[in-house]
Amino acid sequence: QKEVEQNSGPLSVPEGAIASLNCTYSDRGSQSFFWYRQYSGKSPELIMFIYSNGDKEDGRFTAQLNKASQYVSLLIRDSQPSDSATYLCAGGPIGFGNEKLTFGTGTRLTIIP
Amino acid sequence: DAGITQSPRYKITETGRQVTLMCHQTWSHSYMFWYRQDLGHGLRLIYYSAAADITDKGEVPDGYVVSRSKTENFPLTLESATRSQTSVYFCASTLTVGNTEAFFGQGTRLTVV
Repeated sequence: QKEVEQNSGPLSVPEGAIASLNCTYSDRGSQSFFWYRQYSGKSPELIMFIYSNGDKEDGRFTAQLNKASQYVSLLIRDSQPSDSATYLCAGGPIGFGNEKLTFGTGTRLTIIP
Repeated sequence: DAGITQSPRYKITETGRQVTLMCHQTWSHSYMFWYRQDLGHGLRLIYYSAAADITDKGEVPDGYVVSRSKTENFPLTLESATRSQTSVYFCASTLTVGNTEAFFGQGTRLTVV
């Protein structure tokens, strides 16, 4: 069974610090990874995707992919209280639709003012 | 309103009743998806549709029926609701085939009593 695993948290980080969220996956066929943010009671929204090994930066967010070790991470720099949410990691093979994506259970992040 | 909308937002129904959750999108996206989200399981795919009149099963299709006679609508029917179908249901859409950003509706919280 293809699995994407995340620590459910809660992960508490002081405001202004770096929040580090991690995700591991079991299927070596997974080549594309997505990070969704979900506020309590709301729907998921995409914040980052990554296909290649290494780092990908977008503003305060950096996604990291290490295919050899089968992990994906999301770093949030200068954490703000508005970053408090659950972060979902999803992975799947390239060239297929989102029907092949497997979602993790999410990590709940709390930014402490 | 532009976007993807679900109705109803909240629903309480009795065991054995038929329930239909509605999903409507205004973008003419090809792909549409139904997920359920439960604690400890993350997002699980129920059914998806690549285009009008084309639907296929996801990870957890038992007890559900879908149809897609028009591109913009993708209703999900619980034929005979069971307590195990108490969940939050999300409809989502993507523009094309291939791993790409999924846009989610606001969700429907369904309680089966």
